[in-house]
Amino acid sequence: KQEVTQIPAALSVPEGENLVLNCSFTDSAIYNLQWFRQDPGKGLTSLLLIQSSQREQTSGRLNASLDKSSGRSTLYIAASQPGDSATYLCAVTVGGNKLVFGAGTILRVKS
Amino acid sequence: EPEVTQTPSHQVTQMGQEVILRCVPISNHLYFYWYRQILGQKVEFLVSFYNNEISEKSEIFDDQFSVERPDGSNFTLKIRSTKLEDSAMYFCASSDDLYGYTFGSGTRLTVV
Repeated sequence: KQEVTQIPAALSVPEGENLVLNCSFTDSAIYNLQWFRQDPGKGLTSLLLIQSSQREQTSGRLNASLDKSSGRSTLYIAASQPGDSATYLCAVTVGGNKLVFGAGTILRVKS
Repeated sequence: EPEVTQTPSHQVTQMGQEVILRCVPISNHLYFYWYRQILGQKVEFLVSFYNNEISEKSEIFDDQFSVERPDGSNFTLKIRSTKLEDSAMYFCASSDDLYGYTFGSGTRLTVV
């Protein structure tokens, strides 16, 4: 059974810092990996999608990498801003096209 | 940018009542889903729907739950005989191969 783990569970950084969020999964048989952002009490906003054949994807200040063989992904956020404060969720797509989510990393960027 | 629309945003219901949660997925997507998130817990898969039928369901999705695509645009989740433990945020989503999943903003269901 696929398990997704995210480290750290919470992170507090000063504005302007570069930071890395980690995601690991137990079964490398995934179709893709997606990073989402969730604001309190809100829905899930897709940030980046990495297909299983890809190594990384970039969007603005965000860069996500995928190492399928070792079961790891990282989300790199450059020059963090208070508006980046949210919960970041990692999810892998497995058989049946369903997502298995991690518990998330709660990020707080202090101004 | 196309989006998934969910209504209502918040629903309060009495224990034992039936509720219907509604969703309008992205029109050219082929896969539709319902997920839920109990407060403080992980987002968990309930059911996927493809070609007008359920393609996969989790062990959570028992006879209490049903899904329907009553017309070409709407996708509904019906929960019968609601229980206190059904209180959660329910997310509808649709997907394609290029952009992955797009989620709606959710319906917060409170069973009292």
